[in-house]
Amino acid sequence: AQSVTQLDSHVSVSEGTPVLLRCNYSSSYSPSLFWYVQHPNKGLQLLLKYTSAATLVKGINGFEAEFKKSETSFHLTKPSAHMSDAAEYFCVVFFSSYNTDKLIFGTGTRLQVFP
Amino acid sequence: NAGVTQTPKFRILKIGQSMTLQCTQDMNHNYMYWYRQDPGMGLKLIYYSVGAGITDKGEVPNGYNVSRSTTEDFPLRLELAAPSQTSVYFCASSYSRDTNKQFFGPGTRLTVL
Repeated sequence: AQSVTQLDSHVSVSEGTPVLLRCNYSSSYSPSLFWYVQHPNKGLQLLLKYTSAATLVKGINGFEAEFKKSETSFHLTKPSAHMSDAAEYFCVVFFSSYNTDKLIFGTGTRLQVFP
Repeated sequence: NAGVTQTPKFRILKIGQSMTLQCTQDMNHNYMYWYRQDPGMGLKLIYYSVGAGITDKGEVPNGYNVSRSTTEDFPLRLELAAPSQTSVYFCASSYSRDTNKQFFGPGTRLTVL
């Protein structure tokens, strides 16, 4: 069975310090993994995706994530937080078979950035 | 409590045909969203609505229309289907701006030939 676990519901950092948002997944298949960000009153925006190419994936706004199969993890990082990074972040697994398409969302991590 | 429901589950259209993808939620959520997901890609926001009578464009609105006459329903209309609209469409809803966790429907797989 496929599942996604975001290990922290809230993360607080100071501006200019590194960001780490943790995600672990479970999948019987080779997964497609995504990180999305949602700012207040907006829809989801794709940050980056892993689809079995390079294990270190670079996304928008300086974010990157590393796919580690041995640890079943896909943690999101950024070297230096900016105030505009404050938002909710979702780790997502997507799989597609001949008769179904399914998105599995993590519960989300709210990132706060302090001046 | 069914959550978010979408119909149909699958559909094949010819170029130039029109159709409406239905989305209904029974959670009294104000916010509703339509996304498309292309193979190997992430979700892209087509349209969203913050309440009945209010809709706004997302990232990829061209070729689509929406309406929100009730809180429960948020149909997505394709007027002139094109092969580029072949995708999986997900409808989602959330309660308010302060609770941004979205509930997703099961998806509609659309193929335009």
